[in-house]
Amino acid sequence: DTAVSQTPKYLVTQMGNDKSIKCEQNLGHDTMYWYKQDSKKFLKIMFSYNNKELIINETVPNRFSPKSPDKAHLNLHINSLELGDSAVYFCASRQNPRQGGTEAFFGQGTRLTVV
Amino acid sequence: QQQVKQSPQSLIVQKGGISIINCAYENTAFDYFPWYQQFPGKGPALLIAIRPDVSEKKEGRFTISFNKSAKQFSLHIMDSQPGDSATYFCAASYSGAGSYQLTFGKGTKLSVIP
Repeated sequence: DTAVSQTPKYLVTQMGNDKSIKCEQNLGHDTMYWYKQDSKKFLKIMFSYNNKELIINETVPNRFSPKSPDKAHLNLHINSLELGDSAVYFCASRQNPRQGGTEAFFGQGTRLTVV
Repeated sequence: QQQVKQSPQSLIVQKGGISIINCAYENTAFDYFPWYQQFPGKGPALLIAIRPDVSEKKEGRFTISFNKSAKQFSLHIMDSQPGDSATYFCAASYSGAGSYQLTFGKGTKLSVIP
């Protein structure tokens, strides 16, 4: 039973399209993240939510919009896709760090290719 | 601002050798220092972690050494095996205000050759 699951695993789309990536965790965690991993493997945080509330919003183009319908889900919608958006996107979840949460659990990633 | 600096970027080690990856941090409020291991096509997974109240933590062949005064910590992999070939990330976080951040180093690609 997968702890953090992302769909789809692969996404190939044309420039200018709008796409969404879904993430669900069954660990009962309050805190969820989106990370972008570029071709050099750098893991850059994009967003963090705690109990459906946006906590961290790094310098990310406003074409990226996260949505958390409940604390088990954090989806990422991307408008007007650009070539530079091609990367692997990871969802992660963690017990609230202010309540002692430490380990972050990652999904298997979504490889987005914009052509 | 990169808060966690990791080196080297890549590392090639003979089977049976010792792999050493180093990280340095800037924010003295950090109080949790994990290492993550990532295999190709997979998400990162926690390997081992340390808090600054100890100078060393060992789990099997993996050891974290922590130097609070120098604001540095390192991962040592003893008796490195080809199955250890992966990308390793150090990270840091803290428990205070704004504690949701989990900041990663840029990663080290380890290749263990037979």
